[in-house]
Amino acid sequence: EVQLLESGGGLVQPGGSLRLSCAASGFNFNNYGMTWVRQAPGKGLEWVAVIGYSGGHINYADSVKGRFAISKDNSRNTVFLQMSSLRAEDTAVYYCAKVREEQRVGVGVDFWGQGALVTVSS
Amino acid sequence: QSALTQPPSASGSPGQSVTISCTGTSSDVGGYDYVSWYQQHPGKAPKLMIYDVTRRPSGVPDRFSGSKSGNTASLTVSGLLAEDEADYYCSSYAGSSKPYVFGTGTTVTVL
Repeated sequence: EVQLLESGGGLVQPGGSLRLSCAASGFNFNNYGMTWVRQAPGKGLEWVAVIGYSGGHINYADSVKGRFAISKDNSRNTVFLQMSSLRAEDTAVYYCAKVREEQRVGVGVDFWGQGALVTVSS
Repeated sequence: QSALTQPPSASGSPGQSVTISCTGTSSDVGGYDYVSWYQQHPGKAPKLMIYDVTRRPSGVPDRFSGSKSGNTASLTVSGLLAEDEADYYCSSYAGSSKPYVFGTGTTVTVL
């Protein structure tokens, strides 16, 4: 059974930093890309970042480019999202999600974690 | 890139069908067969319902079906059940530099 468990969310001041983690199990993590998707309160889904299975293919949404960094530790079955220069508009539930096919990036995601709430406020 | 356009709401009575549209451009929906649909109940994580425009993951009822014509994809839910009341989002591949774009979301109400 695929399981994705996010951690690291919380309250942070504008301009601050936070690192989210997503621990994966139930599939061969080494062979799959991973994504982060966020959802602001009462709003729709917004893709944030994707990383390829080996960590060699990385893309970001324009809204976070230069401020967020995605990384993948295949030895720990964990994907990370390092967020810096946080703004109020980054307040959202952040979901990690598994790319549906091995060694692909843009074919869609199939399993999602339960999400981690990040609140940016003074 | 801009979000894909979905109607804000749709509704139907139990047993009826509802169809949700997802309109993009030739750079996303119209250019690739990587359209997915997700169902999200309040306070829950999204769940994959359709992938590759028309395919259903195992465990998803065949009441859910997908299609595409030009730059518009559609999700049809037939034989509506109370449990189908949820938000639905489409997603499409949008090119190598911005691989994912989501739709604006549609709230389906079972009357």
